[in-house]
Amino acid sequence: AQSVTQLGSHVSVSEGALVLLRCNYSSSVPPYLFWYVQYPNQGLQLLLKYTSAATLVKGINGFEAEFKKSETSFHLTKPSAHMSDAAEYFCAVSEPEYGNKLVFGAGTILRVKS
Amino acid sequence: NAGVTQTPKFQVLKTGQSMTLQCAQDMNHEYMSWYRQDPGMGLRLIHYSVGAGITDQGEVPNGYNVSRSTTEDFPLRLLSAAPSQTSVYFCASSQEGWETEAFFGQGTRLTVV
Repeated sequence: AQSVTQLGSHVSVSEGALVLLRCNYSSSVPPYLFWYVQYPNQGLQLLLKYTSAATLVKGINGFEAEFKKSETSFHLTKPSAHMSDAAEYFCAVSEPEYGNKLVFGAGTILRVKS
Repeated sequence: NAGVTQTPKFQVLKTGQSMTLQCAQDMNHEYMSWYRQDPGMGLRLIHYSVGAGITDQGEVPNGYNVSRSTTEDFPLRLLSAAPSQTSVYFCASSQEGWETEAFFGQGTRLTVV
């Protein structure tokens, strides 16, 4: 069964510092992987996705993620945090061959300190 | 340019009452899903649909019913509300599969007392 694990329910960084949010997946076949962001009192919006093309995926707002099959990981990074990046981030997985579902991790709340 | 519209935005129910959360999308998307969001648990899938007339259960379907009579609408019914169903509910849609972008509504905050 497909699943994702996000390490760290809360991450705090200083403005200008590196952002690293961790995601590991469990899948018996190469999955589709996603990062979504949720700002307070809003729905989710797509940051980036991996669909078996390039393993390094660039998204909106300067975020990127690298698919590493050997580590079953899809960590999200941003070189320099901005105050506006404060939000909750969700990693998600989809395996079309095993049911047409989009399954989310528990989420990581990113706090950016000035 | 409405996208995914959820109504109501807020609702308070008494234990045992029933209600329907509405979800409508105007993008002609085939795939639709309902999630509930609880602190520390992320989004958990309740029910999903891959087209009109086709629905299936997700991780936490108990206490909820869905139907998909049209492409546009995917209502979620609470049969007999319980305090454990206090949550924020999100509806999502996608064009042809979840490998394409999922679009989310603004959510319905439900409190069961």
